[in-house]
Amino acid sequence: AQTVTQSQPEMSVQEAETVTLSCTYDTSENNYYLFWYKQPPSRQMILVIRQEAYKQQNATENRFSVNFQKAAKSFSLKISDSQLGDTAMYFCAFMKITSYGKLTFGQGTILTVHP
Amino acid sequence: GAVVSQHPSRVICKSGTSVKIECRSLDFQATTMFWYRQFPKKSLMLMATSNEGSKATYEQGVEKDKFLINHASLTLSTLTVTSAHPEDSSFYICSARGLAGVGNEQFFGPGTRLTVL
Repeated sequence: AQTVTQSQPEMSVQEAETVTLSCTYDTSENNYYLFWYKQPPSRQMILVIRQEAYKQQNATENRFSVNFQKAAKSFSLKISDSQLGDTAMYFCAFMKITSYGKLTFGQGTILTVHP
Repeated sequence: GAVVSQHPSRVICKSGTSVKIECRSLDFQATTMFWYRQFPKKSLMLMATSNEGSKATYEQGVEKDKFLINHASLTLSTLTVTSAHPEDSSFYICSARGLAGVGNEQFFGPGTRLTVL
């Protein structure tokens, strides 16, 4: 079974600064996807970024980028130029290629961006 | 982007009654839908996976007879909480995935807050 661990229950950052959220996972699979989801106070889950395990290049989406270390089973999210709208709970998630979409979520990190 | 709706967004019911929550994919065909439960400031706990036209697969520890899931069409799945009790109060979220999902992406509904009195 896969496990996903987010060791930072809460983080805070000043507006315009950079913050990194940590995520580690455990799996015996070689092919899989990793995701970061954002859940703002509205509680609507929003996909932030996705990484395919077979790709060595780290995924980037505007101000969001990941540091994917496959050997270390680490998948951190960096948010640059933090904005007040980034305040949310962030979940790291793992999905086996063969799982028909079943996600395993980490515990979540509550991020607060201060003005 | 793909849109998933849930209805109702909030429901309050008396203990012992049954409540049905609908999850609809509005602009794509969802071959697989997932139902999650979430407690405040906690992670999403997968309850069950449903594929159109077949029985749902429940996660360990989830009571099948209490949480009835039906995925009768490619755009609709329902979760019925039978004989609800206060401990069933929670936030329920569905997600949907279609055959053409990019990168196996799931699309999430906005959630339903259930309060059982």
